[in-house]
Amino acid sequence: DQQVKQNSPSLSVQEGRISILNCDYTNSMFDYFLWYKKYPAEGPTFLISISSIKDKNEDGRFTVFLNKSAKHLSLHIVPSQPGDSAVYFCAAILTSGTYKYIFGTGTRLKVLA
Amino acid sequence: KAGVTQTPRYLIKTRGQQVTLSCSPISGHRSVSWYQQTPGQGLQFLFEYFSETQRNKGNFPGRFSGRQFSNSRSEMNVSTLELGDSALYLCASSLDTGYGYTFGSGTRLTVV
Repeated sequence: DQQVKQNSPSLSVQEGRISILNCDYTNSMFDYFLWYKKYPAEGPTFLISISSIKDKNEDGRFTVFLNKSAKHLSLHIVPSQPGDSAVYFCAAILTSGTYKYIFGTGTRLKVLA
Repeated sequence: KAGVTQTPRYLIKTRGQQVTLSCSPISGHRSVSWYQQTPGQGLQFLFEYFSETQRNKGNFPGRFSGRQFSNSRSEMNVSTLELGDSALYLCASSLDTGYGYTFGSGTRLTVV
């Protein structure tokens, strides 16, 4: 039962354009959502998070949007740069009851120069 | 400051053996979590330790165990290795629950 899903395994975007990475979840009780970036042969790197009480959080070129009614979050990267090419994981945390920290399966982003 | 350090980076074991992986978290981080990453499965949560106590556990068999020491360093042990245990094992530390993780580079375990 995959509670956090990234349905697009890969995405290609031209340099300078917007990259939009999507993530869907099934449990409406998740408290926090996070995005991580992973380069080959390295562990994931934390990028940005959002609390379930907010609908938007911005940090430089990265913005995360949360649509609770649709159980959907997205990461926008503007403008996209070749160095952004990596695998992006979304994650969700449930802190009440049984603690859960669940990752999606990842989306490989390729930014074309 | 130093990041999360995992040793060894690579390991080859045969079926039936056991293995111990080590993780040194960022100084001041008391929460250490372990994940297994395999192609197509993403990151699967193994367990989390906080102040030497296992606080949370994922859906892995009892062959997978861990512990945390008083200096927050953590070890993960896998006994009676199976071919399907071949994976990248990642350790992550954080200040506490709800914070972003800092991951190590992982230990790539190959079981032959």
